[in-house]
Amino acid sequence: EPEVTQTPSHQVTQMGQEVILRCVPISNHLYFYWYRQILGQKVEFLVSFYNNEISEKSEIFDDQFSVERPDGSNFTLKIRSTKLEDSAMYFCASSESGFRTEAFFGQGTRLTVV
Amino acid sequence: DAKTTQPTSMDCAEGRAANLPCNHSTISGNEYVYWYRQIHSQGPQYIIHGLKNNETNEMASLIITEDRKSSTLILPHATLRDTAVYYCIVFEGDSWGKLQFGAGTQVVVTP
Repeated sequence: EPEVTQTPSHQVTQMGQEVILRCVPISNHLYFYWYRQILGQKVEFLVSFYNNEISEKSEIFDDQFSVERPDGSNFTLKIRSTKLEDSAMYFCASSESGFRTEAFFGQGTRLTVV
Repeated sequence: DAKTTQPTSMDCAEGRAANLPCNHSTISGNEYVYWYRQIHSQGPQYIIHGLKNNETNEMASLIITEDRKSSTLILPHATLRDTAVYYCIVFEGDSWGKLQFGAGTQVVVTP
């Protein structure tokens, strides 16, 4: 069964450093997403991406964050100058379309900012 | 703001049916009801979705009331592996895939 793959599974970084979280969506999917979940809290939408541009983003997704699809398979989330409050589980997801189709989530990257 | 209301938690005996209620009284005509679950901080997993008709797949059944203001997810024969947080999400079909997760229902399946 096809799956969304995320690397690394756990990343520890120092406050102020930049991190890149990587995702390989399902190959025939066209829509890509990042969500995050702070420990003990709800899963929060960050951004959706289609046709090489951001379709929608939440208030959380400020200038500190950026997304990119550098090649035909990878989808990345970059966090510049990480803060302690960026510590969370980050989930990548993909879907065939943005309309009424199921989203497949990866297993997540646990980001710890120290 | 949450568009759905779910019980915080519920227990279910292994092998029995689990019936998970969800209220979505402000649902609009073009909004679908989606169910996802999250097993112990893993990535959310899609279960089922529907607009107004009842739906069934290999995982579960979804019963939507005629007025669409509430729905019930049915896990026909709960197993220990069904222990998870279950999210009922109202999703506008024309949005860019943005799922708004609430707190969900923590379901514990006991032997």
